[in-house]
Amino acid sequence: DVKVTQSSRYLVKRTGEKVFLECVQDMDHENMFWYRQDPGLGLRLIYFSYDVKMKEKGDIPEGYSVSREKKERFSLILESASTNQTSMYLCASSFGTGGAIYEQYFGPGTRLTVT
Amino acid sequence: DAKTTQPNSMESNEEEPVHLPCNHSTISGTDYIHWYRQLPSQGPEYVIHGLTSNVNNRMASLAIAEDRKSSTLILHRATLRDAAVYYCILRDLTTSGTYKYIFGTGTRLKVLA
Repeated sequence: DVKVTQSSRYLVKRTGEKVFLECVQDMDHENMFWYRQDPGLGLRLIYFSYDVKMKEKGDIPEGYSVSREKKERFSLILESASTNQTSMYLCASSFGTGGAIYEQYFGPGTRLTVT
Repeated sequence: DAKTTQPNSMESNEEEPVHLPCNHSTISGTDYIHWYRQLPSQGPEYVIHGLTSNVNNRMASLAIAEDRKSSTLILHRATLRDAAVYYCILRDLTTSGTYKYIFGTGTRLKVLA
């Protein structure tokens, strides 16, 4: 079974802190994705990566950056956390190149609260 | 952006079939229709996808209209474990030639015992 793990299920940070959300997949997938999920807005794509060191902005990249130094790991970075970044963050991975071509496998999510 | 429209919520009785509709009038000719579901406190999981013909797998069936402007996810016998938010998703081609999903807000399915 494909496994996508996220470093924390729950995280509480203060405004202005630098926050790292880590995602690891164990199936050698080329593509990895970061989404945030808010009530009434569904899932929105923040960034994705289709290869090591390659990244592409999604629909709401402002306030976020990403890092993919190894194939299995994709990090989401909040340079200076703000209260409007309080949300559920979901990581996903998929086979192949070119982004969302094949089935995506999701992690359990990290619920981030910024106070 | 390619967009889908789904009812906010639906109810079904246990062990009865459920038909979850989705409208996607702006779908391009070569794009697939994907369905995922999200169980409580979990990330979304893949259910099924299709292009033109109806599709079946162990989880569900997908019926696609002839003009491809709408589709219906069919759960043949709903169980309590099928209570989830169901997302009908299209892909969008980015300016760099990669694809991304466009999620809508989905349909929350409630299954009554």
